[in-house]
Amino acid sequence: EIVLTQSPGTLSLSPGERATLSCRASQSVSSTYLTWYQQRPGQAPRLLIYGASSRATGIPDRFSGSGSGTDFTLTISRLEPEDFAVYYCQHYGSSPTFGGGTKVEIK
Amino acid sequence: QLQLQESGPGLVKPSETLSLTCTVSGGSISNSNYYWGWIRQPPGKGLEWIGNIYYSGDTYYNPSLKSRVTMSVDTSTNQFSLKLRSVTAADTAVYYCASLHYAGNRDFNYWGQGTLVTVSS
Repeated sequence: EIVLTQSPGTLSLSPGERATLSCRASQSVSSTYLTWYQQRPGQAPRLLIYGASSRATGIPDRFSGSGSGTDFTLTISRLEPEDFAVYYCQHYGSSPTFGGGTKVEIK
Repeated sequence: QLQLQESGPGLVKPSETLSLTCTVSGGSISNSNYYWGWIRQPPGKGLEWIGNIYYSGDTYYNPSLKSRVTMSVDTSTNQFSLKLRSVTAADTAVYYCASLHYAGNRDFNYWGQGTLVTVSS
């Protein structure tokens, strides 16, 4: 079973700053099936990035995804107030697995 | 675009069965590109996949829950359902239904708003 480890657990930043979130897989995974979600407080998760680097419909271009193999990154170039949320990575191998999440909070 | 809505009791007694239904609108549950999934989130914790079902009735369950889970689909009503037996307090969570774009990048691209199910006597 593939385990996804997200780091850091919490990222404290100010609006306008750059956020870099990591998702590390316990073994090499297909980037095709690597996904990122955003979850704002009290809301359902929302699809952000699929296929490791493709933005979902309506997602601003300040969000970008990259990586391959075991190391994947979600970057938010300039944090807007609505971007302070929890972010999850997910991989679909034989079944879906989620990372533990990274909380991006206001510093 | 697809819309999903969970429904069912918000309170279940320990040892009983949790039953939820997800109603899909804006598209057909028989779309061959999609599976339909349940994911849960205990209060203050992360996301846990429960299982997926195809319109044909094929199912895939999380091994850790497999012995207690049954999912079903009703194409005539565009709904799919979850049953979780012998619940305990550890099953208290927000339960989400979601569409799994299996023919694409296997991402959960549309989610219901979630429903909180509390297990308590």
